[in-house]
Amino acid sequence: DAGVTQSPTHLIKTRGQQVTLRCSPKSGHDTVSWYQQALGQGPQFIFQYYEEEERQRGNFPDRFSGHQFPNYSSELNVNALLLGDSALYLCASSYTGGRHNSPLHFGNGTRLTVT
Amino acid sequence: QKEVEQNSGPLSVPEGAIASLNCTYSDRGSQSFFWYRQYSGKSPELIMFIYSNGDKEDGRFTAQLNKASQYVSLLIRDSQPSDSATYLCAVNIPGNEKLTFGTGTRLTIIP
Repeated sequence: DAGVTQSPTHLIKTRGQQVTLRCSPKSGHDTVSWYQQALGQGPQFIFQYYEEEERQRGNFPDRFSGHQFPNYSSELNVNALLLGDSALYLCASSYTGGRHNSPLHFGNGTRLTVT
Repeated sequence: QKEVEQNSGPLSVPEGAIASLNCTYSDRGSQSFFWYRQYSGKSPELIMFIYSNGDKEDGRFTAQLNKASQYVSLLIRDSQPSDSATYLCAVNIPGNEKLTFGTGTRLTIIP
């Protein structure tokens, strides 16, 4: 049973560029959340997708956008990259089925470095 | 006041002893509590979750919740060197999709 898979594992971009990160949820999960984790900090909530809709958004600018596909996989897009966007980006999936607060299972993350 | 607070450590515990990790939260409406383990350079791994006051045991791990004191803890019995990691406490309130994480406690088990 495959867990949450993310790609790519590492990425180096230049300021001002755009990046797309991808996530496939654990089998049986229907909800995908994205988190940003800076070094030495806990993960910060970016947004959550359920039934192809953004269900909730954290305190991140509009440069951060996302999408969920019919097969529950998801993408995170970041435009106009800043040095401060350098972080570990974590995708987490869960089975919600409309309910809330089910445990999250994280993928291995994408390490983004902006130079 | 931070929403979820943890002592950043490092917390050093001898092998075989009990490691006690603590977390406090500010929102009294919080109802779901999670402990994640994160090895250096890796992603968080779910260890325990607890929804009701009291203790919940799973193998060497025990989660304790006291909603009146807004306090949740994780006990690791018979600590092993492989338990050395950062432990993240996360909290969720009903109707809110996000998990709010603390900054984590770095635990080192000394052989």
